[in-house]
Amino acid sequence: GESVGLHLPTLSVQEGDNSIINCAYSNSASDYFIWYKQESGKGPQFIIDIRSNMDKRQGQRVTVLLNKTVKHLSLQIAATQPGDSAVYFCAVYAGGTSYGKLTFGQGTILTVHP
Amino acid sequence: DAGVIQSPRHEVTEMGQEVTLRCKPISGHDYLFWYRQTMMRGLELLIYFNNNVPIDDSGMPEDRFSAKMPNASFSTLKIQPSEPRDSAVYFCASSHSGNPDTQYFGPGTRLTVL
Repeated sequence: GESVGLHLPTLSVQEGDNSIINCAYSNSASDYFIWYKQESGKGPQFIIDIRSNMDKRQGQRVTVLLNKTVKHLSLQIAATQPGDSAVYFCAVYAGGTSYGKLTFGQGTILTVHP
Repeated sequence: DAGVIQSPRHEVTEMGQEVTLRCKPISGHDYLFWYRQTMMRGLELLIYFNNNVPIDDSGMPEDRFSAKMPNASFSTLKIQPSEPRDSAVYFCASSHSGNPDTQYFGPGTRLTVL
């Protein structure tokens, strides 16, 4: 079955630094990947997604990189701000008969110090 | 758009009582998902619906849990009887068929069973 894990459960950075959050997945058939941000007391919020036919996708201050060879996904946040402090989850959709079923990673706690 | 709406936001009940959680998906979304989040198990998909029809309920932990979607704008998740191990945050999420894998989450219901 699919498993999704994170290399670093916690990440602490200074305001203004760049942050990199990593995610590993196991199913090579996975074809859609999403990063979610969850602030305390709130539901996960969609940040950015990427399909398996892409290696990189950029949003506002965020970039997602996908390395299918090693089944690794990363989220880069530029000029990290205190408001970026949250738990970040990667989620993977394996396609096929598991349509609609996202598998979520454990989450990385990002703390941004002013 | 108001986003996904869940009620109640907090529920405290005693073991053995019936608990009903409610969700209103984003208007126009035809997929609805129920998740449970705990520290030990992370985010788990319980069940999801497409056009009000349950598609996959393999994540429902046991017969004490049931979910319904009587119309496109309302769903319930019921636990009867509740047990202390059901204590968790329950999230509802919705998506639309144009991009069904991008799920938008509600604020969650924090359930405490004493």
